[in-house]
Amino acid sequence: DGGITQSPKYLFRKEGQNVTLSCEQNLNHDAMYWYRQDPGQGLRLIYYSQIVNDFQKGDIAEGYSVSREKKESFPLTVTSAQKNPTAFYLCASSPHRQGIYEQYFGPGTRLTVT
Amino acid sequence: EDQVTQSPEALRLQEGESSSLNCSYTVSGLRGLFWYRQDPGKGPEFLFTLYSAGEEKEKERLKATLTKKESFLHITAPKPEDSATYLCAVRPTGNQFYFGTGTSLTVIP
Repeated sequence: DGGITQSPKYLFRKEGQNVTLSCEQNLNHDAMYWYRQDPGQGLRLIYYSQIVNDFQKGDIAEGYSVSREKKESFPLTVTSAQKNPTAFYLCASSPHRQGIYEQYFGPGTRLTVT
Repeated sequence: EDQVTQSPEALRLQEGESSSLNCSYTVSGLRGLFWYRQDPGKGPEFLFTLYSAGEEKEKERLKATLTKKESFLHITAPKPEDSATYLCAVRPTGNQFYFGTGTSLTVIP
């Protein structure tokens, strides 16, 4: 089955620790995105990547880092510099860099930092 | 500034009671408007893409329409399984998408 997988579904960390969230897609999509979702707020863009080895900051990139070494994978690291890391994190992909195409989302990872 | 506003925030309907959800937007050059359904604790599920004013898309009990300033998601004769949060997103010129905060729909049997 084609799709986007995120792991783990739930993640718990102590404050001060870095944590990496996994996102893999087998849809052969060029573009991949990371969003954060908080209650009462719309999805906010953290980082996006249009091609391998290239990525751009979104609106709330501070305290986060990403890599895009393979087309299929776009892991997100939540660093200790992120002041409010507890949230629901969503990864998405879309088919083309320049096209006007919809995004498809993974199941999400709920991160809790205490 | 690019902005997306959805209304109402929450909507409760009796089963079979048709209604509409609104998504108004202000963007610098709309390249696409998207509707998603999101169930609690899950990722959004893609429903529709609309590209230009006057366009309409349908899927089962859902119909999405687009004007130059807003989009409507019409729900005809809803069923309890239509209960979810419906998200609207726009893509202006550029590579980013902007999302509204969603409408939480509850359909009561």
